[in-house]
Amino acid sequence: NAGVTQTPKFQVLKTGQSMTLQCAQDMNHEYMSWYRQDPGMGLRLIHYSVGAGITDQGEVPNGYNVSRSTTEDFPLRLLSAAPSQTSVYFCATNRGANTEAFFGQGTRLTVV
Amino acid sequence: QQPVQSPQAVILREGEDAVINCSSSKALYSVHWYRQKHGEAPVFLMILLKGGEQKGHEKISASFNEKKQQSSLYLTASQLSYSGTYFCGTAKTSYDKVIFGPGTSLSVIP
Repeated sequence: NAGVTQTPKFQVLKTGQSMTLQCAQDMNHEYMSWYRQDPGMGLRLIHYSVGAGITDQGEVPNGYNVSRSTTEDFPLRLLSAAPSQTSVYFCATNRGANTEAFFGQGTRLTVV
Repeated sequence: QQPVQSPQAVILREGEDAVINCSSSKALYSVHWYRQKHGEAPVFLMILLKGGEQKGHEKISASFNEKKQQSSLYLTASQLSYSGTYFCGTAKTSYDKVIFGPGTSLSVIP
């Protein structure tokens, strides 16, 4: 029972490159979210999903795309990486609204 | 809109008490508290729902004043293991997304 698994753990990208951060959960939770964490800014919500086929924007969605074709997976796509997207990215799952969130171990992304 | 947390940082000696505050300019349905140790993922502490209830486990408890749109996290007789960054998250309705504050760094020293 792995919980929430994020891959990769570390990534370095060049400006303009694209990539996908993977998030997989085996908890059968409906809600999944992506956050970015920057010093002094806390956890900022990028996109979230309340179930397969349903996604919505969070606080800082620009430059990121998501899709949710299955309950288990919620990939985050960076279309054209910029240095401002250097951050630690966390995926989280919840059983439902206003319930405990379970976080993955994070992906540290550096864009040069 | 991000909730506001205070203080930004606090240093305690083992055994001392601390209070971390979280406030919002909007009416709230719930307040969520998490702790994150350096280099790790945030870990859930507790959720407080509209109704002004107080919750707690071990020596960490919290209150929620919905009229003032404020919540406080109380850490009593702090231990070294309490060190980390504490985040509050707030939601305006029962189905709303949770928005986190900037965090409060807490360091407990011997």
